[in-house]
Amino acid sequence: GEDVEQSLFLSVREGDSSVINCTYTDSSSTYLYWYKQEPGAGLQLLTYIFSNMDMKQDQRLTVLLNKKDKHLSLRIADTQTGDSAIYFCAESIEGDYKLSFGAGTTVTVRA
Amino acid sequence: EAEVAQSPRYKITEKSQAVAFWCDPISGHATLYWYRQILGQGPELLVQFQDESVVDDSQLPKDRFSAERLKGVDSTLKIQPAELGDSAMYLCASSSGENTEAFFGQGTRLTVV
Repeated sequence: GEDVEQSLFLSVREGDSSVINCTYTDSSSTYLYWYKQEPGAGLQLLTYIFSNMDMKQDQRLTVLLNKKDKHLSLRIADTQTGDSAIYFCAESIEGDYKLSFGAGTTVTVRA
Repeated sequence: EAEVAQSPRYKITEKSQAVAFWCDPISGHATLYWYRQILGQGPELLVQFQDESVVDDSQLPKDRFSAERLKGVDSTLKIQPAELGDSAMYLCASSSGENTEAFFGQGTRLTVV
């Protein structure tokens, strides 16, 4: 969606950390999400953050939110080959679960 | 584990033909969404149902697309006539309510030739 922007590609070495960035424009965003899509598959929700938070950690995943700059990032620690996929940033607003997605970042993990 | 079921997984159709996709949401989920994902892009919402009622179909090309959820459970998305530009992945998702996680199906990959 035009309201959510992401870089298109990221290449990372196995074992390193990956950082995927996203910017959004809707200041009324309530929830921000990261989805993972493997080839030929549907979307899997990885994690989400409420807009009044600035950080959320879940095992290898860390989400950082800078609400002032409308910038969201997803850090994957100790990236594995199974993390190779397309990662989508998405936002929703209060009272509605309708999601606006970015174009996705293709993450390639190399040995 | 409960999941959103979609069929068919793949569909090839000739332009100007009619095509239909089916979605069975997770049991008890009142909200159902149809998204279209063009290759290389993120999903875009086509239509949102709350039970059997359409809540949002502002992005649905109504001259050729229709969607229904007659009994508030499963849903059908139809395209007639199909055009080359309709080639995409059609994703169905369901959720139990506002600002709760939406679960996505595997999608139907449509190719119009």
